[in-house]
Amino acid sequence: DAGVTQSPTHLIKTRGQQVTLRCSPKSGHDTVSWYQQALGQGPQFIFQYYEEEERQRGNFPDRFSGHQFPNYSSELNVNALLLGDSALYLCASSLDRGHGYTFGSGTRLTVV
Amino acid sequence: KQEVTQIPAALSVPEGENLVLNCSFTDSAIYNLQWFRQDPGKGLTSLLLIQSSQREQTSGRLNASLDKSSGRSTLYIAASQPGDSATYLCAVDTGNQFYFGTGTSLTVIP
Repeated sequence: DAGVTQSPTHLIKTRGQQVTLRCSPKSGHDTVSWYQQALGQGPQFIFQYYEEEERQRGNFPDRFSGHQFPNYSSELNVNALLLGDSALYLCASSLDRGHGYTFGSGTRLTVV
Repeated sequence: KQEVTQIPAALSVPEGENLVLNCSFTDSAIYNLQWFRQDPGKGLTSLLLIQSSQREQTSGRLNASLDKSSGRSTLYIAASQPGDSATYLCAVDTGNQFYFGTGTSLTVIP
């Protein structure tokens, strides 16, 4: 049983460009959350998707947007990339609320 | 707003030693608390999940406790091994999101 799958593993983009990161949740999970982890910091919550709707959002600008598909997979889009967006982006899936989260291996985004 | 603090930030111990990592949180209205391990540049591996109604959970050499009323959790690692070297993160689930601490970086010296 595959856990959470994220793609791509690594990505290098130029400032001002747009990027799309993808996540396939663990089988049986219906909720997907995205986190940004800067070097040496704990992960910071970006948003959570449930039933194809954004259920909760953290303190991130509108440049960060997402989508959840009917098969529960999800995308994270970041527009107008800044150098400060360089980070490890983690996707986590769960079965609705309160059942614990399973994390993927992350996508390392570098903005130059 | 929920705030999670982990102490110490870094810890270095000789192999075989028992150790305790601490996590505190400011708002006791949580669904659960989860401990994770993170190797450099990698994703998070779940170690233990403690529901808000539980006091502790055990898995092998790991034991985690939760005192929701005082906003504290501890992760106890018995007979530490060099392979335990990693960053350990605790996170509290408020129902819609996780709040993470900044982690404890553990080094076990052979």
